[in-house]
Amino acid sequence: QVQLVQSGSELKKPGASVKVSCKASGYTFTDHAMNWVRQAPGQGLEWMGWIHTETGNATYAQGFSGLFVFSLDTSVSTAYLEIRNLKPADTAVYYCVRGHGCSFKKCYLDYWGQGSLVTVSS
Amino acid sequence: QSVLTQPPSVSGAPGQSVAIFCNGSSSNIGAYYDVQWYQQLPGTAPKLLMYGNGNRPSGVPDRFSGSRYGTSASLAITGLQVEDEADYYCQSYDNSLGVYFFGSGTRVTVL
Repeated sequence: QVQLVQSGSELKKPGASVKVSCKASGYTFTDHAMNWVRQAPGQGLEWMGWIHTETGNATYAQGFSGLFVFSLDTSVSTAYLEIRNLKPADTAVYYCVRGHGCSFKKCYLDYWGQGSLVTVSS
Repeated sequence: QSVLTQPPSVSGAPGQSVAIFCNGSSSNIGAYYDVQWYQQLPGTAPKLLMYGNGNRPSGVPDRFSGSRYGTSASLAITGLQVEDEADYYCQSYDNSLGVYFFGSGTRVTVL
């Protein structure tokens, strides 16, 4: 069965960096895009962007370029989200999510990781 | 601010029907981009509820139905059940910004 297993919770100080991992299993990793979604405490879902798992080409939503970096290690079917220069406003649960049709403007997200809580506090 | 607007809350008694509307514009829903819906139960990751405007993934009860018209979309829940109490989000593509968006989210409360 399809599974996306994310790394655990992180507590970081402002200015630090964090790298969240997302290991996929149960399907061919390069057959589907990997998306990242943020949910701040008590807030709604924000689409951060997605990465094409064959080419490694990443598309970032407004407000998520520069300090947010998507990457892959296809040899171990794992996607990564790195967040640099963390701020308290980055405190949130971050989800990796498998996508369908993302290259064709009709993306839907069918399998979600369990989420990784990143807390930024001094 | 999301480009897709939803009412903050909707409520209904068990067995009743409710509808959640997702209001967009000519650069997203009105441009015929597909609308998806997700359900997030308290304390859990979201789950795909509807894709391609009105298609249910395997395992989603037929009490849930979706449609798109003009610059809006809706998710209808008939025969409301206690376990339907959750947050619901619409999602589509916006061609003026070139990215995907979630709606602002709607909390469904079963009275």
